[in-house]
Amino acid sequence: GDSVTQMEGPVTLSEEAFLTINCTYTATGYPSLFWYVQYPGEGLQLLLKATKADDKGSNKGFEATYRKETTSFHLEKGSVQVSDSAVYFCALSETRGYSTLTFGKGTMLLVSP
Amino acid sequence: GAGVSQSPSNKVTEKGKDVELRCDPISGHTALYWYRQSLGQGLEFLIYFQGNSAPDKSGLPSDRFSAERTGGSVSTLTIQRTQQEDSAVYLCASSPQAGDNQPQHFGDGTRLSIL
Repeated sequence: GDSVTQMEGPVTLSEEAFLTINCTYTATGYPSLFWYVQYPGEGLQLLLKATKADDKGSNKGFEATYRKETTSFHLEKGSVQVSDSAVYFCALSETRGYSTLTFGKGTMLLVSP
Repeated sequence: GAGVSQSPSNKVTEKGKDVELRCDPISGHTALYWYRQSLGQGLEFLIYFQGNSAPDKSGLPSDRFSAERTGGSVSTLTIQRTQQEDSAVYLCASSPQAGDNQPQHFGDGTRLSIL
């Protein structure tokens, strides 16, 4: 079945550091890939998405590129801020007419001033 | 406009009781999803509704779990004879229609605690 594997956290960084959160997936078809973010006390929000190989999703300074050859969708940001502290979830949805999401277990990011 | 609304935001109940969780999707969204977020398990898909079609119940963990969606809008997730392992955050999401490119919009969830 489908699965998503994320690096375990927490990831602890200083403000303005470079961020990478690794995500790899297993899927039988050609999934769409997503990053969702959950800020403390809030619900999940879509951060970015990519729907086909080599697509790059970007939002709020975050980027992720759909790499079919390595089945990866790593999240990156060049300079993190304290306000980026949150839990980040990588997810996929399979091509089957509707899109139930399969999530990774989430990676907590803690950014200190 | 209003986002996905879930109620209650928190629910504490005794083992063995039944609970009902409510989800009000974004107006006009035809697809509705329930997920469960629990420690150590991450986010798990529970059930999916699309319009008036029969729901996909493949993610429901046991027959104590059921859900309905009346009039193609509001949905209720019911857990009967609750167990401690049911403690989790239950998240509802909606999207404009079914399809891989349709992002799902999540509510803030209901935090369920079984004593």
